Amino acid sequence: EVQLEESGAEVKKPGESLKISCKGSGYRLNDYWLGWVRQMPGKGLEWVAIISPADSSLRVSPSFEARVTISADKSINTAYLQWNSVQASDTAIYYCARRRAIDASPFDLWGHGTLVTVSS
Amino acid sequence: QSALTQPRSVSGSPGQSVTISCTGTSSDVGRYYSVSWYQQPPGKAPKLIISDVSKWPSGVPDRFSGSKSGNTAFLTISGLQAEDEAEYYCCSYAGTYIPYLFGTGTTVTVL
Repeated sequence: EVQLEESGAEVKKPGESLKISCKGSGYRLNDYWLGWVRQMPGKGLEWVAIISPADSSLRVSPSFEARVTISADKSINTAYLQWNSVQASDTAIYYCARRRAIDASPFDLWGHGTLVTVSS
Repeated sequence: QSALTQPRSVSGSPGQSVTISCTGTSSDVGRYYSVSWYQQPPGKAPKLIISDVSKWPSGVPDRFSGSKSGNTAFLTISGLQAEDEAEYYCCSYAGTYIPYLFGTGTTVTVL
């Protein structure tokens, strides 16, 4: 079965570090990239970053490049999104999504989302 | 780069058709045939329903159709059904370093 399995919900205090994950299965690793999309409470979708688990090529939205780091582990077809110091404004659902390894391809498969809550 | 502009909401009765617009610029929607549409039911993850302006992914009913004119893309839902109530987002490719530019989202209500 083709699926994306995301890590569980997180509750953090401001200033703490955080790393969430997304594991792809049921498809060829080399054929797809994995990306992250943010949805703040009651708001729309925003593209964060995307990475090729095969060779770690990546793109990061200018809106997020100062705040997050995207990485991948080829051996387990998993992508990660990491913060060194979270803020209340990072509270959101972060969706993992898959796209073909062709520029301009849409996200054709989405995970269930990881809820990140940052509160003191 | 700013989000693509969509109407906040559209509504229609069962069986009717509704059309959602998605307005960008000559650097995104107007430049590439890489506009996709996503359906997000309340409390659920988004789902791809249209790719490359007008292509249907496997399993998506042909009641959903897409088109583009200049800097504006359109999603039409024909034969509106209660299950179509959801938030709809357009998304355009805007170049190698901005591969995904989402729209502001449109709430579809079935009266």
